[in-house]
Amino acid sequence: AQRVTQPEKLLSVFKGAPVELKCNYSYSGSPELFWYVQYSRQRLQLLLRHISRESIKGFTADLNKGETSFHLKKPFAQEEDSAMYYCALLTGGGNKLTFGTGTQLKVEL
Amino acid sequence: DGGITQSPKYLFRKEGQNVTLSCEQNLNHDAMYWYRQDPGQGLRLIYYSQIVNDFQKGDIAEGYSVSREKKESFPLTVTSAQKNPTAFYLCASSINSLNTGELFFGEGSRLTVL
Repeated sequence: AQRVTQPEKLLSVFKGAPVELKCNYSYSGSPELFWYVQYSRQRLQLLLRHISRESIKGFTADLNKGETSFHLKKPFAQEEDSAMYYCALLTGGGNKLTFGTGTQLKVEL
Repeated sequence: DGGITQSPKYLFRKEGQNVTLSCEQNLNHDAMYWYRQDPGQGLRLIYYSQIVNDFQKGDIAEGYSVSREKKESFPLTVTSAQKNPTAFYLCASSINSLNTGELFFGEGSRLTVL
């Protein structure tokens, strides 16, 4: 069965420090993965998708099929990065997203 | 203002009562979804619909029901059979299939059963 695991409920870093939010998945098919973000008092929204290989707000994520991981990284954390981050896997024949339990990122000054 | 509108934002109900949460979208999206968000459990899919008059069970459909009579609307009924209905409910939509992986979310409805 498909599963998305985010092992950290809370990650606290200092401003300017590197950030890595972990995401591991299990899926028998060809994985398509995404990161969603929810800032305080805002709607949950798409941050980035692995297939685009893009950098959004300084964040990148590389799909590692060998390690079944899709960790989200940013070299220098900013205060405005504080938010809840969810990793998601496309499943159900491409018809639904399975989300992880989320990681709350707190960037301290 | 385009997007997903959920109502009500907050709802209190007594145990044993059914309650219906509204979700409307004006994005002309074909697919709509209902997720439940609980602390420490992330988002779990309740039901989804890819086209009008059709819907499928998600991972935690027991105790819930939906309808999709119009493209713009996908109401969720939390029935008395749902054992733990107190939660935050999120509605979302996508253009059609999820090839792009992008869901557009509403602001959510918080249901408290007393």
